Amino acid sequence: AQSVTQPDIHITVSEGASLELRCNYSYGATPYLFWYVQSPGQGLQLLLKYFSGDTLVQGIKGFEAEFKRSQSSFNLRKPSVHWSDAAEYFCAVGPPGGYQKVTFGIGTKLQVIP
Amino acid sequence: EAGVAQSPRYKIIEKRQSVAFWCNPISGHATLYWYQQILGQGPKLLIQFQNNGVVDDSQLPKDRFSAERLKGVDSTLKIQPAKLEDSAVYLCASSLDRGQGSPLHFGNGTRLTVT
Repeated sequence: AQSVTQPDIHITVSEGASLELRCNYSYGATPYLFWYVQSPGQGLQLLLKYFSGDTLVQGIKGFEAEFKRSQSSFNLRKPSVHWSDAAEYFCAVGPPGGYQKVTFGIGTKLQVIP
Repeated sequence: EAGVAQSPRYKIIEKRQSVAFWCNPISGHATLYWYQQILGQGPKLLIQFQNNGVVDDSQLPKDRFSAERLKGVDSTLKIQPAKLEDSAVYLCASSLDRGQGSPLHFGNGTRLTVT
């Protein structure tokens, strides 16, 4: 069965500082991997995805993530955080083929302080 | 393009009452999903439609939850009777189809509180 672990429930960073959100997955083969962001009262928005190819993927809003097969990880990074990045971030894993049948992690809530 | 529309935004009911949520997907999107997001957890897929047919309802508690998408466009999700543990945000999402190139577009959700 596929599963996702986001070990950090809550992270606080200063505006302008770098950010790394951790995600570890469990899946029998090479999965499809996703990061979504959810602002308060909003639905989820896709930040980026990994299907195959280059293991460093670029997303929207200046985010990137790196797929590391040996570590079963797909960590999300941003070099300089903005106050508007405060939100909840969900990592998700799914079988190859598309966006369906994904399993979401429990989320990491990001707080940005001035 | 207009996004996925959901209503109501909030609903408070007592346990054992019934409730219904409505979703209007993005025009032309064949695939529609309902997710349940309990506080402190990630979204969990309840049911997936392809046009007006059910593709996956393996995690839908069928003794109390039902969903329909009669004309292959908008959809309703019903809970009858509600339990305290049904308190959650119910998210609707749609995609153009089930293929690799069809990302999900989420609505803003309906927050249900069961007292």
